[in-house]
Amino acid sequence: AQKVTQAQTEISVVEKEDVTLDCVYETRDTTYYLFWYKQPPSGELVFLIRRNSFDEQNEISGRYSWNFQKSTSSFNFTITASQVVDSAVYFCALSEAQDRLAFGKGNQVVVIP
Amino acid sequence: DAEITQSPRHKITETGRQVTLACHQTWNHNNMFWYRQDLGHGLRLIHYSYGVHDTNKGEVSDGYSVSRSNTEDLPLTLESAASSQTSVYFCASSSSTGTEKNIQYFGAGTRLSVL
Repeated sequence: AQKVTQAQTEISVVEKEDVTLDCVYETRDTTYYLFWYKQPPSGELVFLIRRNSFDEQNEISGRYSWNFQKSTSSFNFTITASQVVDSAVYFCALSEAQDRLAFGKGNQVVVIP
Repeated sequence: DAEITQSPRHKITETGRQVTLACHQTWNHNNMFWYRQDLGHGLRLIHYSYGVHDTNKGEVSDGYSVSRSNTEDLPLTLESAASSQTSVYFCASSSSTGTEKNIQYFGAGTRLSVL
């Protein structure tokens, strides 16, 4: 069973528009971690954020923000005022008790200038 | 600065050959992981290790093996390469303690083509 679902495969936006990436996860554990990673066209995987299951505070980092809602098992990611440099594949991931990551299939974000 | 390096970055091989991909980290992390990335599948876990002499199978381990003889290295071996193993391979490492617990840091990847 897929533990992390990222429904939209490719999203295109015009520069300066906002874009929200949905992530729905599934776990029976009470302690777990959620992550977002960015994979730009150069191919490397860049860590963006980690959130543990006991911390439902939303977080903002520059133009990036994350909305964690345990009630809906979601950990959504918003890019505000998108820029061309935001064009990448973004992965949501879940880590349960044993430190392994289960990745979603990723969202390809294309920012059109 | 600590880092994780993979070699080679690109590899072309023939079916049936044995291939080893190297992964070396200087973070002193206990945990190391190998993933493959294929279009439409995201990243899938091949093998992982929680410490020296510990190895475990992931969800797509058939045809692959790893060994962990020291903290820094987790080489991935394809025993007899198959065309279905053409992919991009990523190595990662993480700490199981401290403020960076569970954050996996990735190497740059190895693009493997099996002809």
